Amino acid sequence: QKEVEQDPGPLSVPEGAIVSLNCTYSNSAFQYFMWYRQYSRKGPELLMYTYSSGNKEDGRFTAQVDKSSKYISLFIRDSQPSDSATYLCAMTRSSNDYKLSFGAGTTVTVRA
Amino acid sequence: GAVVSQHPSWVICKSGTSVKIECRSLDFQATTMFWYRQFPKQSLMLMATSNEGSKATYEQGVEKDKFLINHASLTLSTLTVTSAHPEDSSFYICSALLGGTEAFFGQGTRLTVV
Repeated sequence: QKEVEQDPGPLSVPEGAIVSLNCTYSNSAFQYFMWYRQYSRKGPELLMYTYSSGNKEDGRFTAQVDKSSKYISLFIRDSQPSDSATYLCAMTRSSNDYKLSFGAGTTVTVRA
Repeated sequence: GAVVSQHPSWVICKSGTSVKIECRSLDFQATTMFWYRQFPKQSLMLMATSNEGSKATYEQGVEKDKFLINHASLTLSTLTVTSAHPEDSSFYICSALLGGTEAFFGQGTRLTVV
C-alpha cells in the first residue's frame, strides 16, 4: 500500500465549476500537508500549506484536513481554464522534516 | 517568490554516456536541496537529499554510484547520471529549501536516453 493515495483522474469540469480533489494517507505520523500545482513540463509550485485539522481558505482555494480519517481535500471554486494543471498532495511528519511524500497527482482540465 | 532554476530543461543522450543536471537557487542560499524523479502519471519520488559541503543522503534503492550528487556551493547542486540507460529516462526535479522552511522547485529536466 502506498503511503499517499491520490486518484490520478483525469478530471474535466466546465469553467466556473467547483473542483474537488482529495488524498488519503496511511501513516498517522504525517502532520503537515501541502497542495502543489504542476503545469505540464514544469516543477510543482506550492498552493496551500496546512498542519491542523479543519479548513484553510486562500482566495478560490480551500484546503481541508481530517486527521482522524487520514483524508485531505482541496477545493477550487469558480474554476478557470488557467487552473488546468496537475495537482499533487504532499505531506511530511514534522515542520523540520523536509522529505515530502507525494501523491500521484490529479490532472484537471477546466473547459472554457 | 524564490526562484530555482534547472539546466538543461531537456536533454537527449546516448546509452552509456553521462549527463549532468544543474539546480541553482537564483535569489537565495540553500544549504539543503532535494532531487526527485517523476515518471508519467506517478508521484515525485525522492532520490536524495543534497547538503552543501557534505555527502548526499540517498533514499533506499537509489544507486549512489549511478546518480552522483554534488552540492559545492550554497546556490548550486548537480546531479550526474552516469552510464545512462534507457530506463533512466525520466523527469528529474530539484527543490531547494528557503530559510529551512519552504521548498521551491525547479522547472524539471526531461532526460531521454536513446
